[in-house]
Amino acid sequence: ELKVEQNPLFLSMQEEKNYTIYCNYSTTSDRLYWYRQDPGKSLESLFVLLSNGAVKQEGRLMASLDTKARLSTLHITAAVHDLSATYFCAADNNAGNMLTFGGGTRLMVKP
Amino acid sequence: SAVISQKPSRDICQRGTSLTIQCQVDSQVTMMFWYRQQPGQSLTLIATANQGSEATYESGFVIDKFPISRPNLTFSTLTVSNMSPEDSSIYLCSVRTGGRRLAGHNEQFFGPGTRLTVL
Repeated sequence: ELKVEQNPLFLSMQEEKNYTIYCNYSTTSDRLYWYRQDPGKSLESLFVLLSNGAVKQEGRLMASLDTKARLSTLHITAAVHDLSATYFCAADNNAGNMLTFGGGTRLMVKP
Repeated sequence: SAVISQKPSRDICQRGTSLTIQCQVDSQVTMMFWYRQQPGQSLTLIATANQGSEATYESGFVIDKFPISRPNLTFSTLTVSNMSPEDSSIYLCSVRTGGRRLAGHNEQFFGPGTRLTVL
């Protein structure tokens, strides 16, 4: 059974600081998703990582995937208040038909 | 991408009643899913809605409690039956685009959710 763990679960950051959210998964998966959820809203797709060594960047967010270590990271550079949200990672099963979500990381960026 | 709408967006229901949630997608998709997100929690997959056949339920979810219909490739419904306060959650419809293993595709999108409160 695929299990996905994120840490930290809660992150309070100062603006302009850098930080990393970690996503570990328990069994082989070659596809990793990152989502953002604002309070009271649905999930917004941020990144889909499709292969080992994949790195994608959008603005102040950069995601990477290491399938050998079963680890994905979401790196935040020079945080701004607008990045405050909950971030979820999700790993795909090998059949490619089911996502298992991590517990989420609630990010608060303080001015 | 796919544009997903859900109805209703929210509802407050009495214990013991049932609510049917509708999900409409703007394009034909093979894979549709229903998720539950309890307050302050992550997402849990309820079932995969299969077109033309019975839904595939995950552990802990049963058809009698969460009957699902999928009459075509753009529409699905989820019913929450005989509700109790423990069913208070956000219910999200989700679709996956592209072929199952098609590189560069296979994104998964989520609808706006239905916020259900059971009194």
